Amino acid sequence: DGGITQSPKYLFRKEGQNVTLSCEQNLNHDAMYWYRQDPGQGLRLIYYSQIVNDFQKGDIAEGYSVSREKKESFPLTVTSAQKNPTAFYLCASSTLPTGSSTDTQYFGPGTRLTVL
Amino acid sequence: KNEVEQSPQNLTAQEGEFITINCSYSVGISALHWLQQHPGGGIVSLFMLSSGKKKHGRLIATINIQEKHSSLHITASHPRDSAVYICAVNWDRDDKIIFGKGTRLHILP
Repeated sequence: DGGITQSPKYLFRKEGQNVTLSCEQNLNHDAMYWYRQDPGQGLRLIYYSQIVNDFQKGDIAEGYSVSREKKESFPLTVTSAQKNPTAFYLCASSTLPTGSSTDTQYFGPGTRLTVL
Repeated sequence: KNEVEQSPQNLTAQEGEFITINCSYSVGISALHWLQQHPGGGIVSLFMLSSGKKKHGRLIATINIQEKHSSLHITASHPRDSAVYICAVNWDRDDKIIFGKGTRLHILP
């Protein structure tokens, strides 16, 4: 079955440690996105990638890094520079690159990161 | 100022009731999305609209471009409809997606 997987579902880390969240899709989608969701707030875009080996900063990229070495994979690293890393992180993908108003985004199940 | 506003923020209703969730936006858009987020966190896209009305099962979504307003209706609501419903728009300036804060719906059996 096609879909987006994120792992792990729950992640705990000590303050000051970098942590990488996994996102894999087998939908053959070109575009992939990382969002952060905080209680009482809408989703906010961290990074997005329209094509392999290319990615763009979103609205809240500071303290995060990404890579897109393969079409299927778009891992997100939360670095120690991120001031408030505890949040729910959602990965999404879409068939057409950003710039088209006709694409629907498909979301993964999310990873809840807690930094202690 | 939020470009996308949803109302109500929270809604509790009895099973079988007709539910309406509203979304107003202040920017020009090329499309509007309704998303459903279940308690586990996963998000499912329900509708994408650029005009008129769409229906899928017990769910109906409408949009009025002139009034910059969309509604999501649920007929014959059921406890399994309990979720957070999120409105999002594609801003026509750069196609950036802007999300509302969501409406938390709780249907009581």
